[in-house]
Amino acid sequence: AQSVTQLGSHVSVSEGALVLLRCNYSSSVPPYLFWYVQYPNQGLQLLLKYTTGATLVKGINGFEAEFKKSETSFHLTKPSAHMSDAAEYFCAVSDFSGNTGKLIFGQGTTLQVKP
Amino acid sequence: DAGVIQSPRHEVTEMGQEVTLRCKPISGHNSLFWYRQTMMRGLELLIYFNNNVPIDDSGMPEDRFSAKMPNASFSTLKIQPSEPRDSAVYFCASSLAHVGGLNTEAFFGQGTRLTVV
Repeated sequence: AQSVTQLGSHVSVSEGALVLLRCNYSSSVPPYLFWYVQYPNQGLQLLLKYTTGATLVKGINGFEAEFKKSETSFHLTKPSAHMSDAAEYFCAVSDFSGNTGKLIFGQGTTLQVKP
Repeated sequence: DAGVIQSPRHEVTEMGQEVTLRCKPISGHNSLFWYRQTMMRGLELLIYFNNNVPIDDSGMPEDRFSAKMPNASFSTLKIQPSEPRDSAVYFCASSLAHVGGLNTEAFFGQGTRLTVV
């Protein structure tokens, strides 16, 4: 069975500092990987996804993530944090069960951005 | 497309009452998911459908919960009877699962905030 682990339930950075949110997955086959963001009182919004091809993927709002198969990781980064980045972030993997598939989410990481 | 539409946005009900949450997925999507989000347990997958058929309901907490998808454009999640511990935000999401089982990203609705008093 596939699973996702997000290291650190809370991350705090200063405005302008590097953002690094960690995600590790387990999968017996090459996965599809996703990062979602959730702002307060809203649904989840896709930030970026990795399917095949280039292992460094760029998303919205200046975020990017790199798929590292050898490390089974898909960490999310942003060079310079902005106050508006404060939100909860979820890493997810697509399950390859038959013809259906389902998305398995990590527990989430709350990003706090300090002025 | 208007995206995934959930109703109601907020629901307050008394313990023991029946609650029905509704979801309209994005047109053309063939997979639908119901998630529950709480502070304690995070985002939990309750059930998901593919082509209107329930594929995995192992996340449904107990028999008080039931979900249906009578057609490709509508799904319900019902709790009967409701209990205070069911208070949570319930999200519906839809996606397009290609042949071979590869899902594109899931699109989420705005959620229904359920409070059982």
